[in-house]
Amino acid sequence: GQQLNQSPQSMFIQEGEDVSMNCTSSSIFNTWLWYKQDPGEGPVLLIALYKAGELTSNGRLTAQFGITRKDSFLNISASIPSDVGIYFCAGQLYTNAGKSTFGDGTTLTVKP
Amino acid sequence: DGGITQSPKYLFRKEGQNVTLSCEQNLNHDAMYWYRQDPGQGLRLIYYSQIVNDFQKGDIAEGYSVSREKKESFPLTVTSAQKNPTAFYLCASSMSPGGYSYTFGSGTRLTVV
Repeated sequence: GQQLNQSPQSMFIQEGEDVSMNCTSSSIFNTWLWYKQDPGEGPVLLIALYKAGELTSNGRLTAQFGITRKDSFLNISASIPSDVGIYFCAGQLYTNAGKSTFGDGTTLTVKP
Repeated sequence: DGGITQSPKYLFRKEGQNVTLSCEQNLNHDAMYWYRQDPGQGLRLIYYSQIVNDFQKGDIAEGYSVSREKKESFPLTVTSAQKNPTAFYLCASSMSPGGYSYTFGSGTRLTVV
């Protein structure tokens, strides 16, 4: 089946720093999604990308759908303590019955 | 407000017992999913359902069973055949199969004692 490589696995940063994480796949996706999971809760959608090359922002978050359709990145600018959590990328392929393939997550720790 | 509700939040089970985790959504979503999350790991698909009275196995279906008798409900039973059931279980739903993001519940943490 399809697999996503998400990196880095974890990040320890100072408050105010910018963050960048990415996902790559050996095969293409039609949709890329980024979620954030707070401890003990379910993931919540941050950004959805539907077209190759698309660049979308949501506040301090910016994500891009790679031109090759095999990768995506998420940037967080000027991190704050509440950015702490696990960030998941997910890819969807229309021919895969709409199921999402998830990356293993990037755990973000922000030091005040 | 529409959403997806999982209950209970915490569940303890003795070895050899079956246990059922509840998942209810009022979003009128067609598709529903069950994922398992272990510490430091990603989300692994257990079962999914695209329409009522139909469901398919995911990547780790052994030791689990589901039903989809109503559009709103997709309960997961963890059977005694599941050798390592202690985990965080997440239910999700989406508007329809294909190209839509998931709405997740807040999860059930199952511990075998």
